[in-house]
Amino acid sequence: NAGVMQNPRHLVRRRGQEARLRCSPMKGHSHVYWYRQLPEEGLKFMVYLQKENIIDESGMPKERFSAEFPKEGPSILRIQQVVRGDSAAYFCASSPDRIYSHEQYFGPGTRLTVT
Amino acid sequence: KNEVEQSPQNLTAQEGEFITINCSYSVGISALHWLQQHPGGGIVSLFMLSSGKKKHGRLIATINIQEKHSSLHITASHPRDSAVYICAVKGGGADGLTFGKGTHLIIQP
Repeated sequence: NAGVMQNPRHLVRRRGQEARLRCSPMKGHSHVYWYRQLPEEGLKFMVYLQKENIIDESGMPKERFSAEFPKEGPSILRIQQVVRGDSAAYFCASSPDRIYSHEQYFGPGTRLTVT
Repeated sequence: KNEVEQSPQNLTAQEGEFITINCSYSVGISALHWLQQHPGGGIVSLFMLSSGKKKHGRLIATINIQEKHSSLHITASHPRDSAVYICAVKGGGADGLTFGKGTHLIIQP
């Protein structure tokens, strides 16, 4: 049973470009969480999605960031017009459903570097 | 909103020592996670617990719901245990986990 998969593992973007981070949840999981870890800081919640629905985006920056989890395919975290401050490790986690949202399994993360 | 405090922030110990890392949180939770992160690495989930005690190899995690406190213990510590250990909680009405700042553990040979 494959775990949570994220790609790419490392992503380098120049300022102003777009970054797309992908997360494939564990088999049988329909809920995805995105977290960000800024350099020298702790992990922070960004957004919680289920298939075709954003449930909680209270941790998402209001501009340039968006997330989706389509019916088919991985969840995508999209950052438009990246700036140096977006450089961070982005982790996703998945859970079977909202009732079991306390059981979250983490992916290996995507390290975004903005030059 | 839940506040999660970990102590110590940094810990250096000799190989073989018994290690304890503490985590306190401010509001009721449904579950608490202990996570391990190596430098530049991904996150490995060590334990998820909502009551009592769990043991896996040399690692033991305990939680006291009334005291809102959890501890992670490492017995017979080894240099490969060197990592950041992170406490995270689910609760307080939040959908996502709330994380402590982590404990940087270094085990010297």
